[in-house]
Amino acid sequence: KQEVTQIPAALSVPEGENLVLNCSFTDSAIYNLQWFRQDPGKGLTSLLLIQSSQREQTSGRLNASLDKSSGRSTLYIAASQPGDSATYLCASGSSNTGKLIFGQGTTLQVKP
Amino acid sequence: EADIYQTPRYLVIGTGKKITLECSQTMGHDKMYWYQQDPGMELHLIHYSYGVNSTEKGDLSSESTVSRIRTEHFPLTLESARPSHTSQYLCASSDTGLAGVYNEQFFGPGTRLTVL
Repeated sequence: KQEVTQIPAALSVPEGENLVLNCSFTDSAIYNLQWFRQDPGKGLTSLLLIQSSQREQTSGRLNASLDKSSGRSTLYIAASQPGDSATYLCASGSSNTGKLIFGQGTTLQVKP
Repeated sequence: EADIYQTPRYLVIGTGKKITLECSQTMGHDKMYWYQQDPGMELHLIHYSYGVNSTEKGDLSSESTVSRIRTEHFPLTLESARPSHTSQYLCASSDTGLAGVYNEQFFGPGTRLTVL
């Protein structure tokens, strides 16, 4: 059974800090990896998608990296803001079906 | 901007009722998915579809059923709701790009179901 693990489960930082969220996955045949943001009681907002042939993707203050050989991905958030407070989910995409397997998420709180 | 819609957003219903959760997307995506998420827990895939008249069960066993008669519409039905069905249900879609590339999944806002 393929699994995705996210560490830490929760994180609280002061505004302005740079931070790193970690994601590890067991699917050695991963096709892509997607990072999402989820606000309480809401759906998921796609942040970044990294194909297996890529090493990283950037969008604004967000940068996601992918290392297939070690089964790890990181999401780097620069200059964090209170509006970044949310749960961040990573999901590995299967090479055969495109189905996503989700981690439990990291709940981030950025304090003003 | 993803255009995927779910109705209702919230539903409180008694045990034994039949319910249908609606999901529609206007992006012409061929693939659609249903996920179930309990509070504080990870999402689990319960159903998916690769196109019209295609439906498959996901990784988490579910008593719900789905249909895909039109590309844009992927409703989920519970014939007899029970308290154990209380959860958040999230619908998603994606398209198949060049050379069968599995593209980004876009999610709807979810339906929070409570069965009394």
